[in-house]
Amino acid sequence: DAKTTQPTSMDCAEGRAANLPCNHSTISGNEYVYWYRQIHSQGPQYIIHGLKNNETNEMASLIITEDRKSSTLILPHATLRDTAVYYCIALDISNFGNEKLTFGTGTRLTIIP
Amino acid sequence: DGGITQSPKYLFRKEGQNVTLSCEQNLNHDAMYWYRQDPGQGLRLIYYSQIVNDFQKGDIAEGYSVSREKKESFPLTVTSAQKNPTAFYLCASNKRGGVQETQYFGPGTRLLVL
Repeated sequence: DAKTTQPTSMDCAEGRAANLPCNHSTISGNEYVYWYRQIHSQGPQYIIHGLKNNETNEMASLIITEDRKSSTLILPHATLRDTAVYYCIALDISNFGNEKLTFGTGTRLTIIP
Repeated sequence: DGGITQSPKYLFRKEGQNVTLSCEQNLNHDAMYWYRQDPGQGLRLIYYSQIVNDFQKGDIAEGYSVSREKKESFPLTVTSAQKNPTAFYLCASNKRGGVQETQYFGPGTRLLVL
């Protein structure tokens, strides 16, 4: 699976949009981009995933560049409860049996009141 | 409510002692996973199981053992051979083998060696 690079930490004002970047310049055509987040001392929570089209759900939007070398997770109206570590993961889903999610160190997002 | 439960929330182990961490899910998921997380680090895969009575080693299986006798349960034993077991342990599951299906995580067990 492609390696992903994320900033170590970011701050965002409450009520503003939080934009979390992820670089995955070596991503292959079979690899999806997944986002999870982990609130302190809890298990990770799935947020969203996508292949090449932009995706939106009730939690967030995912914008993937046309060349697929980077993506941005957008939390449209950040609240204090969005303070967490956010993980961007590139995953090859065509290789059945490649079962593991590889979590890096992620981005620690702090929402400022 | 459907979900994944892990128990206990905190566990203390003495040197040389084996301990077992429980993971139960009522989501009817086929696949289950165990991860370890050290402070400030990402998750690392210990073991996973795609089907009952079958499991595979992950990246850091040494010093750990698992069983999968029932679809709902995937207990992890931390043996005395694991020299640095203090960590946060997370169990996860998904609908079928292969992480293309979203993984759901339990609340975790924090293990501390005395």
